[in-house]
Amino acid sequence: DQQVKQNSPSLSVQEGRISILNCDYTNSMFDYFLWYKKYPAEGPTFLISISSIKDKNEDGRFTVFLNKSAKHLSLHIVPSQPGDSAVYFCAGALWRRSGAGSYQLTFGKGTKLSVIP
Amino acid sequence: DTEVTQTPKHLVMGMTNKKSLKCEQHMGHRAMYWYKQKAKKPPELMFVYSYEKLSINESVPSRFSPECPNSSLLNLHLHALQPEDSALYLCASSPPQGTYEQYFGPGTRLTVT
Repeated sequence: DQQVKQNSPSLSVQEGRISILNCDYTNSMFDYFLWYKKYPAEGPTFLISISSIKDKNEDGRFTVFLNKSAKHLSLHIVPSQPGDSAVYFCAGALWRRSGAGSYQLTFGKGTKLSVIP
Repeated sequence: DTEVTQTPKHLVMGMTNKKSLKCEQHMGHRAMYWYKQKAKKPPELMFVYSYEKLSINESVPSRFSPECPNSSLLNLHLHALQPEDSALYLCASSPPQGTYEQYFGPGTRLTVT
C-alpha cells in the first residue's frame, strides 16, 4: 500500500516559470509533510515542510500548499532556475512511540524536475 | 559541522563476504536511521536508533545487522547478502525531542555479485 504518491515521474519547465510538483497521500495520521530535493550521487536535502494543521507554508521561492480534504499537497517553485533541476521527494512524517520515539518518514517515488534555460 | 558522512561511497561484495557501512554525524543528533533505496523507488526505512538504542526494525533480514557504538556513529554490518540487496544505502539523523526533519548522508552504493 503506497501511502504517499507522486504520480508524475518527470516535469519540464522553462526557466523563470512556475514549477508545480504534486503529491497525494492516503494516511490521515501524518503530522507533517516534507519536501526533499535530491541531486545525483547525493543524499536527499530537506527543502520545506508543512504541518498537517496548516494549509500553506512559504520560504523564499518555495511554497507548499496542503489540501487536507483532498489529501493533496503541492510544491510551487517561482521563479524556476536551472539549479532547481533535481528529483523532488514528497514525504509524510508520523510519530512512532517505539523506544524513545521518533518520526518515521514515508516517501513518494519522486518527480524529476528539469528546468530548461 | 552540519553534515552526515557515509563511507565507503561505493562497495562491491560477493555473496559470501562480510562488510560494514559506516555513518557519522557530529550535530548532536540522537536519532539515526538506515534507509535502502532501489533505482526509481523511494527510500525505505530499515532501522531507527534513538539514544543509541534500536527502536525500530522494519522486519529487515538478519543478514543486515545494525550497530550504534555511540551517539555519533552508526554502522550496518553486512553478511551473506543476495544480489537483490544491491541498492543505495542512506543514513540519516535527526535532532532529539521529536523533530521530524531528517538530515541525510550521500549514501553508499552497494553492489552484490
